[in-house]
Amino acid sequence: DQQVKQNSPSLSVQEGRISILNCDYTNSMFDYFLWYKKYPAEGPTFLISISSIKDKNEDGRFTVFLNKSAKHLSLHIVPSQPGDSAVYFCAARGSNDYKLSFGAGTTVTVRA
Amino acid sequence: NAGVTQTPKFRILKIGQSMTLQCTQDMNHNYMYWYRQDPGMGLKLIYYSVGAGITDKGEVPNGYNVSRSTTEDFPLRLELAAPSQTSVYFCASSYPGQSEKLFFGSGTQLSVL
Repeated sequence: DQQVKQNSPSLSVQEGRISILNCDYTNSMFDYFLWYKKYPAEGPTFLISISSIKDKNEDGRFTVFLNKSAKHLSLHIVPSQPGDSAVYFCAARGSNDYKLSFGAGTTVTVRA
Repeated sequence: NAGVTQTPKFRILKIGQSMTLQCTQDMNHNYMYWYRQDPGMGLKLIYYSVGAGITDKGEVPNGYNVSRSTTEDFPLRLELAAPSQTSVYFCASSYPGQSEKLFFGSGTQLSVL
């Protein structure tokens, strides 16, 4: 039973344009959400997070939006750069839990 | 800056063989985790540990064992390897107060044939 879902396995975007990655979750107890980025032959690295008390968190070119009523979050990358080509994992956890549930990942390809 | 180190990077096992995946971290993190990633799937938690001498099962523990004798090391043991255990294995660690921000190793690609 996958509690975190990334329904788009891949995304191709032109350099300089916006990349929008989507993530849905089913567990209403989740209250902390994260995005991880993974390059080939490397482990995932933490990118950005958001608490359920917020609806937006921004860090440079990366912004995460949270819609709790829809159980949906998205990651915006503006502008997209070739180095952003990677797999992006959405993850979530509950307030009394230290274990993360991960989505299947979205592969982003930024075209020159 | 070693961070989380996993060995080996690649391994091929025959059905029924056993092996240990090694994981060590030099960040003095209390929390450590083992995940597996299958193609098209998210990372699934196998086992985790909140400190030396304390381990617990995650979502997919069957066929695996762990131990945590020191803060630094968290080996994962596969007994009687099966083709279903073909996967990429990631070890990770985190601070107790920031348990959601995991630091991952570079992974072990395991094939069971």
